[in-house]
Amino acid sequence: QSALTQPRSVSGSPGQSVTISCTGTSNDVGDYNFVSWYQQHPGKAPKLMVYDVTKRPSGVPDRFSGSKSGNTASLTISGLQADDEADYYCCSYAGSYSWVFGGGTKLTVL
Amino acid sequence: QVQLQESGPGLVKPSETLSLTCTVSGGSTSSYYWSWIRQPPGKGLEWIGYIFYSGSTNYNPSLKSRVTISVDTSKNQFSLKLSSVTAADTAVYYCARGLGIRYFDLWGRGTLVTVSS
Repeated sequence: QSALTQPRSVSGSPGQSVTISCTGTSNDVGDYNFVSWYQQHPGKAPKLMVYDVTKRPSGVPDRFSGSKSGNTASLTISGLQADDEADYYCCSYAGSYSWVFGGGTKLTVL
Repeated sequence: QVQLQESGPGLVKPSETLSLTCTVSGGSTSSYYWSWIRQPPGKGLEWIGYIFYSGSTNYNPSLKSRVTISVDTSKNQFSLKLSSVTAADTAVYYCARGLGIRYFDLWGRGTLVTVSS
């Protein structure tokens, strides 16, 4: 059970869009539509931003969107705002009641 | 609303057992999956294991030999025990509620556990 692969960092200017990738295998991301994304500000607990690949919890802006193709899931944040600056983690169900996280991506808003 | 709160010692000696409890307030431990997730300082999240309210469990293979998760539905609590700890087990430990196998919708604030003599 290896961690999902995310870029260590991405950046964008306010108003721009950024996409964070999350690459797994055919045993996790590729096999299940149970990919979720979490935002974590420094010193805070993770917050659910996207679930079931594309769905957003109530209260999460529609600037956050998710997608998946094969073994790679993606989180796109459009209309970047200063408060979007945080660490982002993907997570996938990996079968047999186990889950695997990505290594995390630091988003910098320039 | 439902809240999760981790509790337990913040300092554990090497080779000893780390013990944490997560208290579910404003709700019940029934009908949900409950997980422990940890984050070493400056690093990413690692799923440790889960328990269903019925008592079914599964653990991260990398920690399986050292982990035990239990639930006490009468107290609305679930607990983590990690044995034979080393400095590599120093981390913020989070408890989290799982909506089935789909995602973690509710997290505790986390508690830092340091392994040091």
